[in-house]
Amino acid sequence: AQTVTQSQPEMSVQEAETVTLSCTYDTSESDYYLFWYKQPPSRQMILVIRQEAYKQQNATENRFSVNFQKAAKSFSLKISDSQLGDAAMYFCAYRSAKETSGSRLTFGEGTQLTVNP
Amino acid sequence: KAGVTQTPRYLIKTRGQQVTLSCSPISGHRSVSWYQQTPGQGLQFLFEYFSETQRNKGNFPGRFSGRQFSNSRSEMNVSTLELGDSALYLCASSFRGSLGEQYFGPGTRLTVT
Repeated sequence: AQTVTQSQPEMSVQEAETVTLSCTYDTSESDYYLFWYKQPPSRQMILVIRQEAYKQQNATENRFSVNFQKAAKSFSLKISDSQLGDAAMYFCAYRSAKETSGSRLTFGEGTQLTVNP
Repeated sequence: KAGVTQTPRYLIKTRGQQVTLSCSPISGHRSVSWYQQTPGQGLQFLFEYFSETQRNKGNFPGRFSGRQFSNSRSEMNVSTLELGDSALYLCASSFRGSLGEQYFGPGTRLTVT
C-alpha cells in the first residue's frame, strides 16, 4: 500500500516571499501521479499542480512549482511571491497509474499555510 | 461548465439513523469518488464508481455503501450512524477514470449527535 507523509503540520510565510512545502511518499510502483491540492477555509479542494512520474521535468503552474525527486520519493511544492489568497491547507496526494486502481487518491496529513501581510 | 455539486451541504442526524448524500459530477465525467475527511483520520478514500459499477473500495465497514446512476450522479448511504461518522464527505469526479484529474465538490458536512 502507498503512503504519503507531510512532515510540516504548519508553515508560515511573509507576503511576496517564497515557501516550500515538503512531501514524501512510499510506493513500489514505477508509474504513478502526484498532486498538490489546496483546501481554503471554504473546504473546496482545488487542484494546484500535478506531476507524472515518468516525466523528469518538474511541473510548473504560474507561481507554483514542484521539485520531484523520484529516487528519493520526494515531491515538494514551492510557492513564489506568496499572496494572502494562498493561505490554506495544502495536501499532497498520490495516485497509481494502474488501471485497476482507478482514480483513488492517497492523501498526506496536510500542511496549514499561513501568509502574513 | 458547472462544477461538482453535492447535496445537502449540511446535515445533522442522530445515532442509529441512516443518511443519503448526493453528488452530481461535472457534465461528461463518468467517474465519481467519495472521501471522508475528519480531523483525526484526515482524508480517506471510501469508494469509486465508474459507469454505474463500483471500481474501488476503501477500508470502511459495510454500513457505508454507494451507487451510481446512468446519468453518472452518485449517492452514498451510511446506515446505523455512529458519532464517529461525523465528518466532511467529499465527492470528486473525473473524465476518464484512472487518467483524468479529479475535481472536487464543496462537500457535505455531516454531524451525528
